[in-house]
Amino acid sequence: AQSVTQLGSHVSVSEGALVLLRCNYSSSVPPYLFWYVQYPNQGLQLLLKYTTGATLVKGINGFEAEFKKSETSFHLTKPSAHMSDAAEYFCAVSDLKGGADGLTFGKGTHLIIQP
Amino acid sequence: DAGVTQSPTHLIKTRGQQVTLRCSPKSGHDTVSWYQQALGQGPQFIFQYYEEEERQRGNFPDRFSGHQFPNYSSELNVNALLLGDSALYLCASSLGGQGPLGEQYFGPGTRLTVT
Repeated sequence: AQSVTQLGSHVSVSEGALVLLRCNYSSSVPPYLFWYVQYPNQGLQLLLKYTTGATLVKGINGFEAEFKKSETSFHLTKPSAHMSDAAEYFCAVSDLKGGADGLTFGKGTHLIIQP
Repeated sequence: DAGVTQSPTHLIKTRGQQVTLRCSPKSGHDTVSWYQQALGQGPQFIFQYYEEEERQRGNFPDRFSGHQFPNYSSELNVNALLLGDSALYLCASSLGGQGPLGEQYFGPGTRLTVT
């Protein structure tokens, strides 16, 4: 079974500082990996995804993530945090059983931006 | 272009009762996935419907059932409600043929409270 571990349920950074949210996965097959963001009282929005090809993936709002197979990691970064980045972030891996693509999510990391 | 819509937004039920939640996918999408998000947790995959059939199922009991209609909208039914069923229920739509290469678009969710 596939699984996702997000290190740190809460991460606090100062506005303008580097954002680093950690994600490690386990998978018996080449994974498809995703980062989603959830703002209060809203559904999830896709930030970026890795399927195949280039291991450094760029997403929306200045976020990017790097797939490192040797470390089974897919950490999310942003060079300079903005107050609007405060939200819940979820890493997910795709389970391709039967051709379907139900996602397995981590428990989430709450990103706090200090002014 | 309407995104994914879910109804109702909030619902309060009593233990032992049954509930039906509804989802209309994003225009052009033919696949609907349902997720349960308990407070402080990541979403957990319940099942996915494609071509009016359940294509994949997560680790949920048979009390959870679903249906997809010819217009691709979907219902999630939960019987014999337990207190532990209290959660945010998220619906996501996608294009079935794309698998994980396509994006799952999430609705805002239905908040179910079981008392």
